[in-house]
Amino acid sequence: DAGVIQSPRHEVTEMGQEVTLRCKPISGHDYLFWYRQTMMRGLELLIYFNNNVPIDDSGMPEDRFSAKMPNASFSTLKIQPSEPRDSAVYFCASSPGGGRQPQHFGDGTRLSIL
Amino acid sequence: GDSVTQMEGPVTLSEEAFLTINCTYTATGYPSLFWYVQYPGEGLQLLLKATKADDKGSNKGFEATYRKETTSFHLEKGSVQVSDSAVYFCALSKGQAGTALIFGKGTTLSVSS
Repeated sequence: DAGVIQSPRHEVTEMGQEVTLRCKPISGHDYLFWYRQTMMRGLELLIYFNNNVPIDDSGMPEDRFSAKMPNASFSTLKIQPSEPRDSAVYFCASSPGGGRQPQHFGDGTRLSIL
Repeated sequence: GDSVTQMEGPVTLSEEAFLTINCTYTATGYPSLFWYVQYPGEGLQLLLKATKADDKGSNKGFEATYRKETTSFHLEKGSVQVSDSAVYFCALSKGQAGTALIFGKGTTLSVSS
């Protein structure tokens, strides 16, 4: 079975540019999560969806960040405009249910904002 | 609020040494507990889990027992290998529909031959 697929794996761009990260969850999983990982702050939950509907976006740091899930097989996380402090590894994860079900993670997108 | 606290790393061991990584949690109710592992350049992978008090999760030689009286879920392995070098995350879930995992900050394990 295919796991969670994220693209791109690496992204380097200049400050002020728009960045779009993509995620394809595991088929049949109805929860999708976006995380950010940095050395300073560890693993932070940004937002999660259930059946394509955003449930909790309290972790989204600023209005520059937005996430969508137009259908069950695709989600995007967008940063506009990007800033150097957004540099991090961004992970997408999916699960077949919330709560006690384990989450399956993608390999992440390493984002560097110059 | 709910939280997970892990021992700070890095933990540095020689091959075949005994491993313990401490994890304690704060939560109301009866959370499920998880250990995830992250190898370099990869995402997190579920290592083991326990859903109720006194349950023991185990996988690949790793074990952790859900201790409600001490609110702990310490990870142990009797004999580590170089290939176990990774970052280990403890996490909890309250279990209600619509809730996400709460992760600890992670503990880096480095095993040398």
